[in-house]
Amino acid sequence: NAGVMQNPRHLVRRRGQEARLRCSPMKGHSHVYWYRQLPEEGLKFMVYLQKENIIDESGMPKERFSAEFPKEGPSILRIQQVVRGDSAAYFCASSAGIGNQPQHFGDGTRLSIL
Amino acid sequence: GENVEQHPSTLSVQEGDSAVIKCTYSDSASNYFPWYKQELGKGPQLIIDIRSNVGEKKDQRIAVTLNKTAKHFSLHITETQPEDSAVYFCAASSETSGSRLTFGEGTQLTVNP
Repeated sequence: NAGVMQNPRHLVRRRGQEARLRCSPMKGHSHVYWYRQLPEEGLKFMVYLQKENIIDESGMPKERFSAEFPKEGPSILRIQQVVRGDSAAYFCASSAGIGNQPQHFGDGTRLSIL
Repeated sequence: GENVEQHPSTLSVQEGDSAVIKCTYSDSASNYFPWYKQELGKGPQLIIDIRSNVGEKKDQRIAVTLNKTAKHFSLHITETQPEDSAVYFCAASSETSGSRLTFGEGTQLTVNP
């Protein structure tokens, strides 16, 4: 399967813990986007990364959230000191390049905060 | 920033009928408009997209139309089948916004056999 791979599929954390979500883009894709989806809502952009660079983080909360896409390995979305409001589905998408290339999504990580 | 509105929020049709979902956008710089289908527990799946230099695009039972002047675009599904039942999202992006997608709120399509 050469699609976008996200893990874990489900993640349960207690308030105050850290959550780490991983995303491996499609083969040949070097652009990664993270989106958040609250129940019964559309997806909201969080951050856009290329290898070793954050291109646009305008949708990311200023505190507790960070993202990276290292030279080797998957992209990581990290949420520190989680709160109940962080409960959502987090989706990663990848594309082949700039210029409005199609974005292909993984099946997401469903984060639940107890 | 961009704002995308989508209607209706729910749509129920009989198998074999057509379904139409409409979206409007606010940013005149937007030039790429994909449509996604999301099934329960899955990620959004790209089903068709259109760029601003084209007015209509078709792929088998699915077609999308774009009216740049009015800033709206629509998804048309003909000869609907029960497996078309899902949530459909429209989205818009522009190169000036770094190609990030702004999504509509989604349409729950139910096709009744």
